[in-house]
Amino acid sequence: KAGVTQTPRYLIKTRGQQVTLSCSPISGHRSVSWYQQTPGQGLQFLFEYFSETQRNKGNFPGRFSGRQFSNSRSEMNVSTLELGDSALYLCASSLVGGSHTGELFFGEGSRLTVL
Amino acid sequence: DAKTTQPPSMDCAEGRAANLPCNHSTISGNEYVYWYRQIHSQGPQYIIHGLKNNETNEMASLIITEDRKSSTLILPHATLRDTAVYYCIVRSNTNAGKSTFGDGTTLTVKP
Repeated sequence: KAGVTQTPRYLIKTRGQQVTLSCSPISGHRSVSWYQQTPGQGLQFLFEYFSETQRNKGNFPGRFSGRQFSNSRSEMNVSTLELGDSALYLCASSLVGGSHTGELFFGEGSRLTVL
Repeated sequence: DAKTTQPPSMDCAEGRAANLPCNHSTISGNEYVYWYRQIHSQGPQYIIHGLKNNETNEMASLIITEDRKSSTLILPHATLRDTAVYYCIVRSNTNAGKSTFGDGTTLTVKP
C-alpha cells in the first residue's frame, strides 16, 4: 500500500508570493491533517480535513488555508509569504471511526524556504 | 488533549534496551497513549499506542502504569538507526488529526 505522498518535496519562494502544497493520503484514509515544523516551534498543528470539511484548525493566521477534494487528496495554501513561514510542512492521514484507533501516518514533508 | 512530559535527551548503547519515559498525569479515561519517532528531516513515524494494557509490536513495547499517569516505550535492542526524536502523545482515538506534539526526547544510540 502506498504511503502518504507530498509534493513538491522542496521549494523556494520569495516574500509576498504564495505557495500551494499537495498531499495524497493513504488509500482509504479520509482524514488529512497538516503540520508545520520549525526549529523554534517544533511540530504545530495547522488544520485537519475530513470528507472535504475542515474539522479542526490550529492557531495560525488566515494566510494559511487548505481544502480537501472528494478523493481525499488535500492541498494547503500559504499566501503573502513571510520569512517565518520557512518550515517543513507535514501532511498526515488516518482512518477514523469504528474500531480504528487513530494512528497518524505522515508523509516526508514539503520543505519551504522563503527568501 | 492531555499534556505530556518527556526528558529532552537520552543516550543508549547499541544492542541494549532503550527505555523512554513519558508522564501524562492529566490523562482522561478515553485517551490513548501514542508514540511516534522522527528521524532527522523525515516525517514522524508511528511506533505504537495503547489505552491501559501493555502493548508490543515488531518495533517496540509500551508499558502503561496501572494509574495510567505515565508510560515507558521500550526498544528492546537499540540500533544506530533508532537514533531519533521520540514523541509521546495523549489523545482520544477520535479527532486523530489534531495531535499536540511536545518537544519529545532525542535518543542517541551510541556504538
